[in-house]
This record gives sequence, structure tokens and C-alpha cells, in this order.
Amino acid sequence: EIVLTQSPGTLSLSPGERATLSCRASQSVSSTYLAWYQQKPGQAPRLLIYGASSRATGIPDRFSGSGSGTDFTLTISRLEPEDFAVFYCQQYGSSRLTFGGGTKVEIK
Amino acid sequence: EVQLLESGGTLVQPGGSLRLSCAASGFTFNSYAMTWVRQAPGKGLEWVSALSGSGGNTYYADSVKGRFTISRDNSKNTVYLQMNSLRAEDTAVYYCAKAPVSTGGRYHFDYWGQGTLVTVSA
Repeated sequence: EIVLTQSPGTLSLSPGERATLSCRASQSVSSTYLAWYQQKPGQAPRLLIYGASSRATGIPDRFSGSGSGTDFTLTISRLEPEDFAVFYCQQYGSSRLTFGGGTKVEIK
Repeated sequence: EVQLLESGGTLVQPGGSLRLSCAASGFTFNSYAMTWVRQAPGKGLEWVSALSGSGGNTYYADSVKGRFTISRDNSKNTVYLQMNSLRAEDTAVYYCAKAPVSTGGRYHFDYWGQGTLVTVSA
């Protein structure tokens, strides 16, 4: 099973700032099968990024994903008030799907 | 518009059984894999089980293998999760989600339901 470790656990930033979230895998994720989701309190997760760097339908271009192998990054170029939430990475390089523990992006 | 509506969550005693349902609409149901993902109170997401579009291939997390069974009725556009031998650690909100592909086991999820709460307690 591939273990995903997300860091930091909490990121305290102000609107307009840049957010950089990390997701590290315990072994290489094949074919960049890595997705990112956003979850707000009381809501279901929403797909942001798939294939490590492809934005899902309707996702603003301030969200971008990068990385390969074992190291992946989600970047939010300029935080909007509605972006504050918990973000999860998920690998689907094998049929034993796994999620990271999440990074909370909170208002500073 | 894609819609996923879970139902069946309730309070159940340890060792008991429960069946969750997820009714889907807004897409060609039998063309896409479906999954269940759970979230314990205040915790992160945990993948539980997935099922190919035809229903011919099933996948389970080790934590539920042998206790949970995923299935689908493509004539009713519904996916199910039969949960047996329930434990306190199975307490969670259970989300149904759709994959953008039919098969292969390598799934991410483009649409999610709002979830149904399962509480396992005496």
C-alpha cells in the first residue's frame, strides 16, 4: 500500500498570498496518478486536480498541480476567501487507493 | 447534472449489519466505476471500496475486506455497500463517488454525494 504524507498539517495564510502544499508518497506513483481534493466544513470533497497537473472542470487557474514519482505539490497562486479549506491528495497508481492525511489552509 | 444521493446510514450495534445505497442520476451509470469513501468524525478521508462499471471487478481496503460487499444494480442506477460485523471504528460519514472511467481499478473521483452517517455503538 502506498502511504501519502501531506505537509504541513496546517498552513496559516492571508487572502492574496500563495499557498504551497506537499504530498509525498512512500513509493513511486505510476503514471502521475495523483489527484487533489478540496473539502470545506460540512461538505463533500471536490476534485481539483487529476493526473498530477490537470485541472478538473470548472476549477480556477489559480490552482495548479505539479510533481512526479514520490513528490507532488498543489499550489494556489493567490488565495481567495473561498479557498480556505482542507486539501487531500489521493493516489490511484494501484487499485489499493489511498488518501493523504490532509492539509488545512486557514486564515491568518 | 450529476447527482449522487446516499441513504441508509443510522445507528447500529457492534456486530450488526447495514446496507447503504447510492442513487445516481445525470450520467450513463453503467459506463462508470463507483466507489465508497468514508470519513470518521474529525478525521481524514479513507477509501473503502470500488466497483467497475459492469460490476465485474471489485476492490476493497484491507480494513473492510471480508466484512463489506460492494455491488450495483445498473437497471436502478444504484450502488450499494453491504456492511457486516460492524465495529466502532466503522463509525463515519460514508460518501458515494463516481470515477471518470469504467474499469481498471485506478480510480479518482469527479463527483461526490453528500454522505450518510453510520454510527456503530451499543
